[in-house]
Amino acid sequence: DQQVKQNSPSLSVQEGRISILNCDYTNSMFDYFLWYKKYPAEGPTFLISISSIKDKNEDGRFTVFLNKSAKHLSLHIVPSQPGDSAVYFCAASEYQGAQKLVFGQGTRLTINP
Amino acid sequence: EPEVTQTPSHQVTQMGQEVILRCVPISNHLYFYWYRQILGQKVEFLVSFYNNEISEKSEIFDDQFSVERPDGSNFTLKIRSTKLEDSAMYFCASRARDPSSYEQYFGPGTRLTVT
Repeated sequence: DQQVKQNSPSLSVQEGRISILNCDYTNSMFDYFLWYKKYPAEGPTFLISISSIKDKNEDGRFTVFLNKSAKHLSLHIVPSQPGDSAVYFCAASEYQGAQKLVFGQGTRLTINP
Repeated sequence: EPEVTQTPSHQVTQMGQEVILRCVPISNHLYFYWYRQILGQKVEFLVSFYNNEISEKSEIFDDQFSVERPDGSNFTLKIRSTKLEDSAMYFCASRARDPSSYEQYFGPGTRLTVT
């Protein structure tokens, strides 16, 4: 069951450049998407979200883009900073029911000085 | 800033033993969840809890698992007879009462090791 997929297990970016993390989903019932950041030995930390009625949401250095027709979303971080090095999870939820989160496998982002 | 807390941070138990994992959700939140992450795998949904009852559970959440909100602040996950494959990080999460707010806030997790 791979309703949410992050096909890149890792990504390495130079400090100051743009980091782009990608996520694909298959369930057309998903109507809300979230990005979480996770450091080792900590729980996932909420970063940014987007509703399916929007195609872009921005919060400081973080922007999430949603392409519903392609069932694809991406997280842009600009400029990237060393503290951004972490595992990033894409998650999706349906409005109906318990609104549980379905997670992707995660992408390990490393920002190089 | 309010946060979700979990205890213990690490629990080692023998196969067949009962364990209780504890969580204190954010105080004004009304929706509570347990997730787990087996090493190297995805974070997986286990169960959601609202209005003092289970609202949804996954296939993983079989009869060996139970959840409880014994008082106004704690939310617990009990595994009655642990198996080796229950070894994982267990995360508690909570969500605000606003039905349009999907954001869930996670605790730091409990690492469960079954030997």
